[in-house]
Amino acid sequence: EDQVTQSPEALRLQEGESSSLNCSYTVSGLRGLFWYRQDPGKGPEFLFTLYSAGEEKEKERLKATLTKKESFLHITAPKPEDSATYLCAVRRDDKIIFGKGTRLHILP
Amino acid sequence: DGGITQSPKYLFRKEGQNVTLSCEQNLNHDAMYWYRQDPGQGLRLIYYSQIVNDFQKGDIAEGYSVSREKKESFPLTVTSAQKNPTAFYLCASSGGRGETQYFGPGTRLLVL
Repeated sequence: EDQVTQSPEALRLQEGESSSLNCSYTVSGLRGLFWYRQDPGKGPEFLFTLYSAGEEKEKERLKATLTKKESFLHITAPKPEDSATYLCAVRRDDKIIFGKGTRLHILP
Repeated sequence: DGGITQSPKYLFRKEGQNVTLSCEQNLNHDAMYWYRQDPGQGLRLIYYSQIVNDFQKGDIAEGYSVSREKKESFPLTVTSAQKNPTAFYLCASSGGRGETQYFGPGTRLLVL
């Protein structure tokens, strides 16, 4: 069965404390992996799409990487405004499968 | 500005009542989607449409209905058959099925 698992479920960091969020998947024939940011009560905001192992993309303090079995969202020197839920999704054929997300809280 | 709009932001439903959630996009996207989001769960697909006048059931279509009469619009009706409708509903669109999806701001449905 196709699955997308995100870990940890929740993460609390001090401002400036770098860390990584994990998205592991058991999807054969991956055709894309997506990262989104979701603030409370709002719709997900698109961050990155990764297509092949070894690919990396960056945006401000965020960097997403992809291997054959998982993706990492690295957060460098986070600020309180980076607090949100981060969603991962994978594409198999024309179907998109979402993980449950990681709730990130950055303490000032 | 291009984007996706959803209305209303909050919606209250009485027992036995049908309610309709609006979704409009001006991104010229062919595909549109409706998801349901519950606390602690991932997004679950209700319905999707790849072209005008055509739509398919997703994983949890029971108790919901949709129409796609215009490319820009994909309204969702929550019928009285949906026994647990309280949730956050998200509309999304993409250039094609399986491509990057862009989301609207969501509608929170509550039952009175």
